[in-house]
Order: sequence, then structure tokens, then C-alpha cells
Amino acid sequence: NAGVTQTPKFQVLKTGQSMTLQCAQDMNHNSMYWYRQDPGMGLRLIYYSASEGTTDKGEVPNGYNVSRLNKREFSLRLESAAPSQTSVYFCASKTGTPNTEAFFGQGTRLTVV
Amino acid sequence: GDSVTQMEGPVTLSEEAFLTINCTYTATGYPSLFWYVQYPGEGLQLLLKATKADDKGSNKGFEATYRKETTSFHLEKGSVQVSDSAVYFCALSGGSNYQLIWGAGTKLIIKP
Repeated sequence: NAGVTQTPKFQVLKTGQSMTLQCAQDMNHNSMYWYRQDPGMGLRLIYYSASEGTTDKGEVPNGYNVSRLNKREFSLRLESAAPSQTSVYFCASKTGTPNTEAFFGQGTRLTVV
Repeated sequence: GDSVTQMEGPVTLSEEAFLTINCTYTATGYPSLFWYVQYPGEGLQLLLKATKADDKGSNKGFEATYRKETTSFHLEKGSVQVSDSAVYFCALSGGSNYQLIWGAGTKLIIKP
């Protein structure tokens, strides 16, 4: 009964380093999403994938890249981390139909120093 | 485009008080509406949902009614507990590919 699994849970990077956040879901969902959540702010969509093989930019895509590796996995890559990317990152998934809810992972707390 | 507006927080209440968190939306068509809750240090989890006008979603003592005439989906609870302290997000299913459109979140603080 895993749902959406994100790794790692915590990460500290130095400015300019790169890293990939991993996300996997076991609910056979078509759509997957990456959000960031900053203190006192709501969720902002970085990228999403409506189905395997497709990805689209969200509200705040600059500085990020994504890969929909297969139906289960959707990764987020920071090529050259900046302090402004210090945030909590959430992966979510849902079916592609309109009345269904999204399921979230537990989040990755990223600090860029 | 579609949007969701929530009342700003934080909302501070005493235990056993009545809770209302306002949520209004703008959308074309007939979106589904959701309330999510985020406890400290955790991800978001679905609290309740409603998929058509006049539907009432309910869970854990919380309720919200889908009001199409006022484009609202206010969250209510008759008697809050300290354990209800969390951030509450209102959302609708709309936009391209039915992705969720989020409100800014409302932080709820319940004092004993």
C-alpha cells in the first residue's frame, strides 16, 4: 500500500551542484506532478506529465527538468542548484479523469547553501 | 482561467469552537471540488470532495457543500480539536488534463 514514494526525504546541496529527485507511484495513474512549497505559500506547479511519454511546464519550470521514465516514475532534476530552489518538493499522481483526487508523496526538504 | 480563492490565515480558534474556512472558485464547466489537509512535516492528504452541485462532502467531522450559485465550497466543523491544527487547501479539478488548481492554503491553529 505504498502510494506515492519520494526519495530522498532530506537533501542539502551546495550552490551549483546537481541532483535528481525520484518519485514512483504504484496506483497505475496516468498523470504525475511536481510541486514546490515555500514557507507561507501554497503549492506551485513545476512540471507535470499527463501520460507516459509527455511532459509539460507548470507555473515555475525555470531551473528544473523532468523525465517520465515509465508509467510509474517521474523524476525532477536540478542541473545547477541555486539558493532560490530551497524548498519542499512534492510529487503527486492522479488518474486522468476529472472527478478524482491527487495522491501526494511525503515530500523532499531541499536546502541549497 | 480557473482559479481558487481561500480566506487568508492563520485562523486561530479555541478548542470546541465552530470552524469555517471560506473557499470560492472560478471555473468553466462543472469542476470537482476538494479539500486537502497538510499536517506539520507531512504531505497533503485528501480530506473530502464533491463532484457535482449540491453534493456534500464529509470526513472526520468536517463538511463542505458544493454551491454552484455562489461558486463556493466552504469548509466547516462544529467543534474543533487541537489535533485539527494544520494547513487546509481548497482545490478544483480543471484546466488542461483535469489537473488540480489550488488555493493558497489556510493555516489553522487550535488552542487548548
